[in-house]
Amino acid sequence: GQQLNQSPQSMFIQEGEDVSMNCTSSSIFNTWLWYKQDPGEGPVLLIALYKAGELTSNGRLTAQFGTTRKDSFLNISASIPSDVGIYFCAGQPSAGGTSYGKLTFGQGTILTVHP
Amino acid sequence: DSGVTQTPKHLITATGQRVTLRCSPRSGDLSVYWYQQSLDQGLQFLIQYYNGEERAKGNILERFSAQQFPDLHSELNLSSLELGDSALYFCASSVVGGVGGQGSYNEQFFGPGTRLTVL
Repeated sequence: GQQLNQSPQSMFIQEGEDVSMNCTSSSIFNTWLWYKQDPGEGPVLLIALYKAGELTSNGRLTAQFGTTRKDSFLNISASIPSDVGIYFCAGQPSAGGTSYGKLTFGQGTILTVHP
Repeated sequence: DSGVTQTPKHLITATGQRVTLRCSPRSGDLSVYWYQQSLDQGLQFLIQYYNGEERAKGNILERFSAQQFPDLHSELNLSSLELGDSALYFCASSVVGGVGGQGSYNEQFFGPGTRLTVL
């Protein structure tokens, strides 16, 4: 199925460092969502973006909706050990059609934080 | 805790068998989504229901079917199971699911998943 191109695939960082990851798509999305998944658990919604150019923060997390509506970025500042997990971007298409509700997910970024 | 519940947590069965996965959405959510997560395919959208009706369909096999009941809980039925069907199956819910309303009403919240192992 269709996937978003998410990069990097994995990151190994030291505690306290900042992290950046991004997603790109050949399709335009109406909404971008960022999720975090811990092993054996369901994805947890971190940030939702609704407008091109929008910049939204949630604590140490900041995400942006790209102006072309085909990309999004997530930054984590001053990482801590509990940031460890898999981060997924997800795009939701524009209104109309038969696939409006579906999310298309990136392949995920595996984040490891060394104390 | 997202408020979405899924049962069972784990399911082990044999090839050729049929299983049913159950999902209860968050209170007030009308839309339910099913996703499959496997190592090689990642998170893949299967199907969406909104207030009892099928709303959108993704890469769902003909051997798989779903329904949403009047109390809004949903079931995903997997039949003639194959080894390749082993995966994590997630249910998600949202308030409206693309039918209308402001953006936040379309945010999807995931359940803890059902791990299906086909032997």
